[in-house]
Amino acid sequence: AQSVAQPEDQVNVAEGNPLTVKCTYSVSGNPYLFWYVQYPNRGLQFLLKYITGDNLVKGSYGFEAEFNKSQTSFHLKKPSALVSDSALYFCAVRDWNTGKLIFGQGTTLQVKP
Amino acid sequence: EPEVTQTPSHQVTQMGQEVILRCVPISNHLYFYWYRQILGQKVEFLVSFYNNEISEKSEIFDDQFSVERPDGSNFTLKIRSTKLEDSAMYFCASRTGTSGDHEQFFGPGTRLTVL
Repeated sequence: AQSVAQPEDQVNVAEGNPLTVKCTYSVSGNPYLFWYVQYPNRGLQFLLKYITGDNLVKGSYGFEAEFNKSQTSFHLKKPSALVSDSALYFCAVRDWNTGKLIFGQGTTLQVKP
Repeated sequence: EPEVTQTPSHQVTQMGQEVILRCVPISNHLYFYWYRQILGQKVEFLVSFYNNEISEKSEIFDDQFSVERPDGSNFTLKIRSTKLEDSAMYFCASRTGTSGDHEQFFGPGTRLTVL
């Protein structure tokens, strides 16, 4: 069965510092991986995806993610965090057969001024 | 920019009542989904819909749940007899079906409160 794990419930960083939100996956076959962000009382907004190609993928709002096949990881990164980046971040993998998304538990990112 | 819309934003109902949650997916999208998120928990898949039929449903999606695309634009989720544990945020999502476009676009959600 395919699954995604986000080992940290919360990540705290200071504004201006780099941030990393971790995600590991377990799939059979090649993974299709996604990051979504959820602001309070809002829906999920697509940030970026890895389907194939370069291991470093760039997305919205200055975020990027690094696909690492040997470590089965897809960590979300940003070189310089903003207070407005504070939100709930979800990693997801697409089910190979059906197209549904399987989400991790979510990580709350708190960026302090 | 086109977006998925959902109504109502918040629905309060009594246990045992029927509710219909409505979604308008992005117009050229072909695949439709419902997910739910119980407060403080992760987003869970409920059902996927393609070509006017259910393509997959989860264990959560029992006989009390149904989906419909009645008019080519709306995509509805009906819960026939709500239970307390149905209280959650329900998200509709859609994607194009174009080869290479795998991301799903989500609506803002409907918060369902069952009393």
